[in-house]
Amino acid sequence: QVQLQESGPGLVKPSETLSLTCTVSGDSISRLYWSWIRQPPGKGLEYIGYIHYSGSTNYSPSLKSRVTISLDTSNNQFSLKLTSVTAADTAVYYCARHRGGYSFGPIDYWGQGTPVTVSS
Amino acid sequence: DIQMTQSPSSLFASVGDRVTITCRPSQSISDYLNWYQQKPGKAPNLLIFTASNLQSGVPSRFSGRGSGTDFTLTISSLQPEDFATYYCQQSYSTPYSFGQGTKLEIK
Repeated sequence: QVQLQESGPGLVKPSETLSLTCTVSGDSISRLYWSWIRQPPGKGLEYIGYIHYSGSTNYSPSLKSRVTISLDTSNNQFSLKLTSVTAADTAVYYCARHRGGYSFGPIDYWGQGTPVTVSS
Repeated sequence: DIQMTQSPSSLFASVGDRVTITCRPSQSISDYLNWYQQKPGKAPNLLIFTASNLQSGVPSRFSGRGSGTDFTLTISSLQPEDFATYYCQQSYSTPYSFGQGTKLEIK
């Protein structure tokens, strides 16, 4: 059974860097595509970006200047870093898996989500 | 970026009703359209992929159809567990944007 679990600080100060890790079990991150998606309180889903096991990445243009997604194959994890955060970055952050070996594959597994608040 | 517009934004219905939710992308996306269900406090759950394919384990009362710029999700006979928020998502071009959601509530 594939499981994804987000971890990281639940509170980040404005202008600092948000760092989250997704630990994958039941599958290897050395295949397929892996993504981060967020959901501000009471709002809809926003696609942040993805990483392929080869290390190639794709980011939403609205966040591209501040986002980095990376892999840690030795620990079967992938990570999200978002710099210079503001209150607008307050959201539940989900990590997710794309099925089928293509970035356009549907997202068939999600983490439970981790809430992050940006506040001083 | 492709903008995804869902309608309606909210919908009141009763158990046993047939309901349809529409999703319209701002440009043609062929059949690169997925549907998700999200319940409060939970992660989204994949229902339909590539417009009309039912995800394993999803009840057959859910169906999807469409292509290009016009897609629908239909629930043939609402069950109590179906009251949730539904999102469409395009996977035709990055960023893989979502619709704003349709909240399905009990009448």
